[in-house]
Amino acid sequence: AQKITQTQPGMFVQEKEAVTLDCTYDTSDPSYGLFWYKQPSSGEMIFLIYQGSYDQQNATEGRYSLNFQKARKSANLVISASQLGDSAMYFCATLTDKLIFGTGTRLQVFP
Amino acid sequence: ETGVTQTPRHLVMGMTNKKSLKCEQHLGHNAMYWYKQSAKKPLELMFVYSLEERVENNSVPSRFSPECPNSSHLFLHLHTLQPEDSALYLCASSQGRTGTRSNEKLFFGSGTQLSVL
Repeated sequence: AQKITQTQPGMFVQEKEAVTLDCTYDTSDPSYGLFWYKQPSSGEMIFLIYQGSYDQQNATEGRYSLNFQKARKSANLVISASQLGDSAMYFCATLTDKLIFGTGTRLQVFP
Repeated sequence: ETGVTQTPRHLVMGMTNKKSLKCEQHLGHNAMYWYKQSAKKPLELMFVYSLEERVENNSVPSRFSPECPNSSHLFLHLHTLQPEDSALYLCASSQGRTGTRSNEKLFFGSGTQLSVL
């Protein structure tokens, strides 16, 4: 069975600083995908970044990078140079035969 | 125009009402999904359609009835709901169905915020 855990219900970061959002997962399937989604107050879930279980390098997408530590089963999201528009809920998800989401972390960026 | 459009954005209904949620995707995808998002709970997968055929139903009560007339449209028909059904209902689509590839990316709509009185 898949399980995904986000232990930080809320995080604060000052504008232009970097922030790390934690995510750990558990799956017995050797092939899986890891995703991060952003959900602003408008409700839409916006895809941010993807990491495959066999990928050797950590994924990066602009200011987003995924710190993938396979042995520790962690897939933390790093946002560099935070912006006020980054304030939102962030969800980690894992995909084998189903896409399973964590409970999310609310990030608030302050000036 | 966004890739996945959901209407209405907000819906308030009584427990005896019948209403429908609509989802339309403009991405040429083959799979569509309904998710339920309740406060402080992970997103729950409700239904999956692949090429207009229902391939998954995650033990959802029969008061929720999905319909997929074609690969671009997905409906969720609601009947005699309960107050605990109040939630954000999100529609999503993907090129293929999740479970066929581990890198299948879902595209979501903005959701319908449903309140059941």
